[in-house]
Amino acid sequence: EAGVTQFPSHSVIEKGQTVTLRCDPISGHDNLYWYRRVMGKEIKFLLHFVKESKQDESGMPNNRFLAERTGGTYSTLKVQPAELEDSGVYFCASSQNRLTTGELFFGEGSRLTVL
Amino acid sequence: GDSVTQMEGPVTLSEEAFLTINCTYTATGYPSLFWYVQYPGEGLQLLLKATKADDKGSNKGFEATYRKETTSFHLEKGSVQVSDSAVYFCALSGSWGKFQFGAGTQVVVTP
Repeated sequence: EAGVTQFPSHSVIEKGQTVTLRCDPISGHDNLYWYRRVMGKEIKFLLHFVKESKQDESGMPNNRFLAERTGGTYSTLKVQPAELEDSGVYFCASSQNRLTTGELFFGEGSRLTVL
Repeated sequence: GDSVTQMEGPVTLSEEAFLTINCTYTATGYPSLFWYVQYPGEGLQLLLKATKADDKGSNKGFEATYRKETTSFHLEKGSVQVSDSAVYFCALSGSWGKFQFGAGTQVVVTP
């Protein structure tokens, strides 16, 4: 069974440009999460999809970030325009079970560098 | 809100040494607690978990006990190997499966 896949693995862009990160969750997982780790600090929650609906987007930093999940399958996270402080590793995770005991399955992350 | 605090790294130790990584949490209700590990070049993967007070999670020689009275979930391994070199994240799961993570502790094991 394929795991969570993310693309690209690394993106280097200049301030003001746009970047789109993609995540393909494990097939059948209704729950999809985006997290971000900046400068070796804690991994911070960005948002949570249940199928195609946004369950919780309280962690989205500002309106430069837009997340979508088409048809409840893959998800994209767009940053437009990118700022220096957006640099970090963006992790996608999915889970089948919404209960608190559920395990998250992570992708390898997309490293974003904004110059 | 919910939060997780874990000891800062890097932690450097020799092979076969004893490893402890401290983790404490703040949460409302009764969260589940997790340790995730990220090996170089890989994504995070679940190492162990505990879903209620006094539960002990264990895997690959690692153990952690859910201590409600001290709000802690310290990770321990009696004899580390070079292959245990990684970044370890303590986490809790609250409502709707929303996870809160600590800052991560890098562990470096030398031969």
